[in-house]
Amino acid sequence: GQNIDQPTEMTATEGAIVQINCTYQTSGFNGLFWYQQHAGEAPTFLSYNVLDGLEEKGRFSSFLSRSKGYSYLLLKELQMKDSASYLCAVRGLMDSSYKLIFGSGTRLLVRP
Amino acid sequence: ETGVTQTPRHLVMGMTNKKSLKCEQHLGHNAMYWYKQSAKKPLELMFVYSLEERVENNSVPSRFSPECPNSSHLFLHLHTLQPEDSALYLCASSHGTGGNTGELFFGEGSRLTVL
Repeated sequence: GQNIDQPTEMTATEGAIVQINCTYQTSGFNGLFWYQQHAGEAPTFLSYNVLDGLEEKGRFSSFLSRSKGYSYLLLKELQMKDSASYLCAVRGLMDSSYKLIFGSGTRLLVRP
Repeated sequence: ETGVTQTPRHLVMGMTNKKSLKCEQHLGHNAMYWYKQSAKKPLELMFVYSLEERVENNSVPSRFSPECPNSSHLFLHLHTLQPEDSALYLCASSHGTGGNTGELFFGEGSRLTVL
């Protein structure tokens, strides 16, 4: 079956670092995405990993271990505007094409 | 502004009504998607269109009927819905649907309430 797990909620302090974990079991693997979704807004793309290792993009970094079925999103120097839901999504193989399968999202609350 | 526009943003309908959700993308993409987002549940893929041809129908009840008249427009026709269909319906687009394709670009969603 297809399954993606991530924590439901996390709380962190402004200026701190937070790591949001994601584990997955899917039929096939062709990349892992992280999206950010503010309340009432569209999900927006943050990062993409297809090979093992760390991808850094400003304050945000994403790590992938394909052998462990594991990824994390690292947010540094947290700002209040980082309060949002963070969605982990895996492109797995379903039938003959690749489909994006989403986790339930992690709601991050950044406190002053 | 993501380049994907959805209307209406909010819709309230009775179980016997017929309504439609509209999505338009200005990104030159050739694939469009409908997703359902319910509280505390993962985004659920409903339909995928590639080059205006439906390539995915994820066991969605027939009371939801998609239409893709061209590569820039996507509709979701709603008929005889149930209260449990109340959710946020998200449209997305991308370059292609498989292999080394890019990320999804989402609209802001249509919040549907079925009474």
